Amino acid sequence: AQSVSQHNHHVILSEAASLELGCNYSYGGTVNLFWYVQYPGQHLQLLLKYFSGDPLVKGIKGFEAEFIKSKFSFNLRKPSVQWSDTAEYFCAVRRGSTLGRLYFGRGTQLTVWP
Amino acid sequence: ETGVTQTPRHLVMGMTNKKSLKCEQHLGHNAMYWYKQSAKKPLELMFVYSLEERVENNSVPSRFSPECPNSSHLFLHLHTLQPEDSALYLCASSQDNGTPVHGYTFGSGTRLTVV
Repeated sequence: AQSVSQHNHHVILSEAASLELGCNYSYGGTVNLFWYVQYPGQHLQLLLKYFSGDPLVKGIKGFEAEFIKSKFSFNLRKPSVQWSDTAEYFCAVRRGSTLGRLYFGRGTQLTVWP
Repeated sequence: ETGVTQTPRHLVMGMTNKKSLKCEQHLGHNAMYWYKQSAKKPLELMFVYSLEERVENNSVPSRFSPECPNSSHLFLHLHTLQPEDSALYLCASSQDNGTPVHGYTFGSGTRLTVV
């Protein structure tokens, strides 16, 4: 069965600290990978995505993620977080053969203290 | 606004009620989805519609009944729900033509409380 694991359920950081959120998936074939963010009271928004090519992808608001195929991982990073990054972050995976379906992890709540 | 509109934003219903959730997208997408978001759990894919045809039903109880009358509208009809069905129900759409999906566009969700 498709599985997406986000091991950090709640991360608390001070402003300017560096961030890395883990995401691992269990499918061995071709995958497309996504990170979504949900700010308090708002809808889910696409942060960045990986389809092919350079495994280091840049997203909005200074976020980046690295696809490491051998580790089945797609970790999200940001060198210096801001208070406004407080949100819930979801990793999602689409298997190459499953038309359109995204499978999500349970999410990581990030709290940034000013 | 994202281009995907869900109504109502909040809904409280009794276990014997019948209600419907509505989703509308103005993005020209051809696929629509219902997800259930519960606290501390992954988003659960409930239903997938591609070109107005249901292509996936992930073992969802029959008390949830989807309807997709056209490519812009998606409904979720609710009947005799249980308290554990209380959750945020998210609608999403995408343009899906066999090439990689460029992510979903999500609505803001309907917060459902079953009493």
